Amino acid sequence: GAVVSQHPSRVICKSGTSVKIECRSLDFQATTMFWYRQFPKQSLMLMATSNEGSKATYEQGVEKDKFLINHASLTLSTLTVTSAHPEDSSFYICSARVPGGVSYNEQFFGPGTRLTVL
Amino acid sequence: QKEVEQDPGPLSVPEGAIVSLNCTYSNSAFQYFMWYRQYSRKGPELLMYTYSSGNKEDGRFTAQVDKSSKYISLFIRDSQPSDSATYLCAMRDGQNFVFGPGTRLSVLP
Repeated sequence: GAVVSQHPSRVICKSGTSVKIECRSLDFQATTMFWYRQFPKQSLMLMATSNEGSKATYEQGVEKDKFLINHASLTLSTLTVTSAHPEDSSFYICSARVPGGVSYNEQFFGPGTRLTVL
Repeated sequence: QKEVEQDPGPLSVPEGAIVSLNCTYSNSAFQYFMWYRQYSRKGPELLMYTYSSGNKEDGRFTAQVDKSSKYISLFIRDSQPSDSATYLCAMRDGQNFVFGPGTRLSVLP
């Protein structure tokens, strides 16, 4: 199956700093990537849909100025958490959609990034 | 009513048991149905997918879709402790992907 990587896997930062998380599709080109947030023992919450070469589409309630998404190439999307605060501590997971040509479009997930803001 | 409902568990079964995991949904436009397995502190991994109604089998896993009842199931035969994880159903119509909240499964040795 398609492989998606995320970096870093874990980050601890001080309140007020910005953190960048990278999501890469390793063996395919992903025109669409998704960013999710997951709190402990809860399901995935879609934050935004990232399309290569265009602005991301954010879900209701997600601050686009706080969670900056850049999908500059077909294999890389980045999520920057700006001026992070303790309440931003969470597990951030990206996924990439395998492009068309088959009867379904799967989402393949990265391993996630655990962000802890002190 | 939530778009996709799933019993959060936790569900505990003895090793070797048959496990049944289920989701119900309200959007009749969903056409593609997936099951993901997520181990603690890891990203979800795709287990099974089905298109429209019917059954699909892969090793110890069987996925069932009943569109008339808006009900999908994942069966795990001969469950193993390594199957202990959270299982998320997901479904899509066109562009929209919706996940269930996940069921935590523990298979006890």
